[in-house]
Amino acid sequence: EIMLTQSPATLSLSPGERATLSCRASQSISVHLAWYQQKPGQAPRLLIYDASNRATGIPARFSGSGSGTDFTLTISSLEPEDFAVYHCQQHSDWLTFGGGTKVEIK
Amino acid sequence: QVQLQESGPGLVKPSQTLSLTCTVSGGSISSRNYYWSWIRQPAGKGLEWIGRFYTSGSTNYNPSLKSRVTISMDTSKNQFSLKVTSVIAADTAVYYCARGTPMGARYYFDYWGQGTLVTVSS
Repeated sequence: EIMLTQSPATLSLSPGERATLSCRASQSISVHLAWYQQKPGQAPRLLIYDASNRATGIPARFSGSGSGTDFTLTISSLEPEDFAVYHCQQHSDWLTFGGGTKVEIK
Repeated sequence: QVQLQESGPGLVKPSQTLSLTCTVSGGSISSRNYYWSWIRQPAGKGLEWIGRFYTSGSTNYNPSLKSRVTISMDTSKNQFSLKVTSVIAADTAVYYCARGTPMGARYYFDYWGQGTLVTVSS
């Protein structure tokens, strides 16, 4: 089973700041990685697929990069609605999720 | 707009069977391009994929749950279902149904239900 490790567990930032979230795979997954945003009491929402492609309707301030084992989700300038938990998910070998990174207001 | 809605008992006794249904609206569950999945999330923890059902009839399950899980479809009702047998406290979680859609090189989850909390307790 491919393990995904997300870091940091919590990121404390202010609106307008840049957020950089990391997801590391236990073995190479090419670009077969997605990022989801989850707000309290809500289902996850797809942000990025295949490591760097924004899903339909996702603002340009969200961007993804990486390949192989190291991936990054960047939010260029945090809006109030961006404070949430972010999950990465691989679809290279079966399907697994990372433990999540919480982006909280500083 | 595709919508998914989970339903089923919120409380299940240990050793019994957990049964949930996902009703899909705004699109046909028989559409060939998609698969239909169950995913769960214990309180304060990450997401865990349970399994998926392709409209072709094939299924895949998380190896860690495979011996206890069954996913099936009822196309006449536009629903798919999850059964988990011999439940234990560790099966307590919010259960989500979701649609897997081909994007780029793989399938990703573009529509999700709101989730339903299932508690395993006597």
